[in-house]
Amino acid sequence: KNEVEQSPQNLTAQEGEFITINCSYSVGISALHWLQQHPGGGIVSLFMLSSGKKKHGRLIATINIQEKHSSLHITASHPRDSAVYICAVGRDAGAGSYQLTFGKGTKLSVIP
Amino acid sequence: NAGVTQTPKFRILKIGQSMTLQCTQDMNHNYMYWYRQDPGMGLKLIYYSVGAGITDKGEVPNGYNVSRSTTEDFPLRLELAAPSQTSVYFCASSYWVPGVYEQYFGPGTRLTVT
Repeated sequence: KNEVEQSPQNLTAQEGEFITINCSYSVGISALHWLQQHPGGGIVSLFMLSSGKKKHGRLIATINIQEKHSSLHITASHPRDSAVYICAVGRDAGAGSYQLTFGKGTKLSVIP
Repeated sequence: NAGVTQTPKFRILKIGQSMTLQCTQDMNHNYMYWYRQDPGMGLKLIYYSVGAGITDKGEVPNGYNVSRSTTEDFPLRLELAAPSQTSVYFCASSYWVPGVYEQYFGPGTRLTVT
């Protein structure tokens, strides 16, 4: 079983819809990260969170440490939100290093 | 700042050839990483470094080597390329203190071994 599981694997939405992507993990973590991979391949970090909720523009990330679950929400989705969204858990790996373990990603397509 | 740069962007290798994937960052980050991304799979850590002169294996190090002679550069060496090494390779650098972590990715190198 993977340490990080995302659902759904693929998601198609109409422009303007509210979108939720889920992430569950099975290990102890220091923090949870959400990243976005553009269709061209570039990867950018969206959020790092260890408790509660963070918001940036139309993106909202929440985490429930007790349930080992996080969600990424996109409000008023737009075609430019089409990308792969990746959940990753971060841990202090010892010897001064911090490492991420990644989920397989959720491919989002937003149709005009 | 250029951020994290990788060269080449694309490469085709024959089985048994060797090559070096270059990675440079200009953000003075101590931490650098090499990942591979296979279709339908999550990014896997190949090697990482916590500073110049210090490297360590990640989850999938077999068939690869790294060096870190400077803070800026973290090249990945493939010796005796095999079809299983066909993948997209990402270099990343990060800033980390407890509670704050920012990781920056390079644009990736798409490698095909035939």
